[in-house]
Amino acid sequence: DAKTTQPPSMDCAEGRAANLPCNHSTISGNEYVYWYRQIHSQGPQYIIHGLKNNETNEMASLIITEDRKSSTLILPHATLRDTAVYYCIVRLSDSNYQLIWGAGTKLIIKP
Amino acid sequence: EAQVTQNPRYLITVTGKKLTVTCSQNMNHEYMSWYRQDPGLGLRQIYYSMNVEVTDKGDVPEGYKVSRKEKRNFPLILESPSPNQTSLYFCASSARQGWDTQYFGPGTRLTVL
Repeated sequence: DAKTTQPPSMDCAEGRAANLPCNHSTISGNEYVYWYRQIHSQGPQYIIHGLKNNETNEMASLIITEDRKSSTLILPHATLRDTAVYYCIVRLSDSNYQLIWGAGTKLIIKP
Repeated sequence: EAQVTQNPRYLITVTGKKLTVTCSQNMNHEYMSWYRQDPGLGLRQIYYSMNVEVTDKGDVPEGYKVSRKEKRNFPLILESPSPNQTSLYFCASSARQGWDTQYFGPGTRLTVL
């Protein structure tokens, strides 16, 4: 099972780009990288996911290295409301469909 | 509005008193699941369901039951709650298993005394 490693916490200034790294060195070829976030104790919220190519949506961009062993989530213009725990997770490729959730990165946006 | 709802949002109960936490989604999703979240342990899957009448165990199923009689509802049942089931519980749904994103409910904070 591919596992992920994220820094436990990060700070970012409001208005700046927040770059959240994730290592997933044992990822296999057909496993996707997902990013979710959890604001305080609310239900987690989907942000973005990708396989090989970089992805962008209205919330964020996902940059995956060519060897797929790491990725970076980019919030282009962080606001105070982006303060949350961000989870980088890899989908298991077997049939029972689980996302393995680690401890995530607590991102604090400072004014 | 597309959403997953859970009830109750907060519950304090005593050991051994059966309880049910309801979960409902209005997106016609096939896949639903229950998670619990404890400090330092992250989100752990309890049970999941791939469609009506199809359920299976996740990582931590002991002490829980589920049922999926209708597509929209996926209740979590604690037949005899114990203090170690004190936790924050989330229900989630997605359109299909595998590649689709999950939508989470607001959570139910359960305390078992």
